[in-house]
Amino acid sequence: DIVMTQSPDSLAVSLGERATINCKSSLSVLYSSNNKNYLAWYQQKPGQPPKLLIYWASTRESGVPDRFSGSGSGTDFTLTISSLQAEDVAVYYCQQYYSTPQYTFGQGTKLEIK
Amino acid sequence: EVQLVESGGGLVQPGGSLRLSCAASGFTFSSYWMSWVRQAPGKGLEWVAKIKQDGSEKYYVDSVKGRFTISRDNAKNSLYLQMNSLRVEDTAVYYCAREGGGGILGLLDYWGQGTLVTVSS
Repeated sequence: DIVMTQSPDSLAVSLGERATINCKSSLSVLYSSNNKNYLAWYQQKPGQPPKLLIYWASTRESGVPDRFSGSGSGTDFTLTISSLQAEDVAVYYCQQYYSTPQYTFGQGTKLEIK
Repeated sequence: EVQLVESGGGLVQPGGSLRLSCAASGFTFSSYWMSWVRQAPGKGLEWVAKIKQDGSEKYYVDSVKGRFTISRDNAKNSLYLQMNSLRVEDTAVYYCAREGGGGILGLLDYWGQGTLVTVSS
């Protein structure tokens, strides 16, 4: 199985500041035939189910604010929130969908307001 | 509007059984793979099982193989998870999720609110 490791486990950022969350996969999730990274990011607010934010490592899901961006390739990926808003407090998960059917998630990063 | 509504969770003793259901609406249910994903209290997400559109292919995480069975009824727009020989470590919120939005296998684009399964004596 591909192991996904996120860092940090928790993060406190001031409102309006940048938040950066990292995700590392134990194997490359870049599919050479289409040059796509099979990596997604989800946001889970307290008491709610996860919500898809980004797929193909950098494509925002419809309706997701543009302050959220994803980057990276191969085994190293980053989710960036350019200007933290109060409603962004959540746990963020990365997920690889390269290795079917055993999709795996990172352990999650808890984002709080400083 | 896509909606996924789980039901069937509850308290069960170790070794017992439970059947979860997920009622889908707002999309053509028979056109999508569907998955179950669970989250133990205070823990992260774990994919549990998935089923192809026509039910012809089913996959499970190793820890539930032989104990859980995923199924679907496209006429009723419903997904199921039969859980047998339950263990304390199966305690979790179980989410039903649609897979393959935009034709992307593995991408879970809609999730239900979840149903809590507690395995305890």
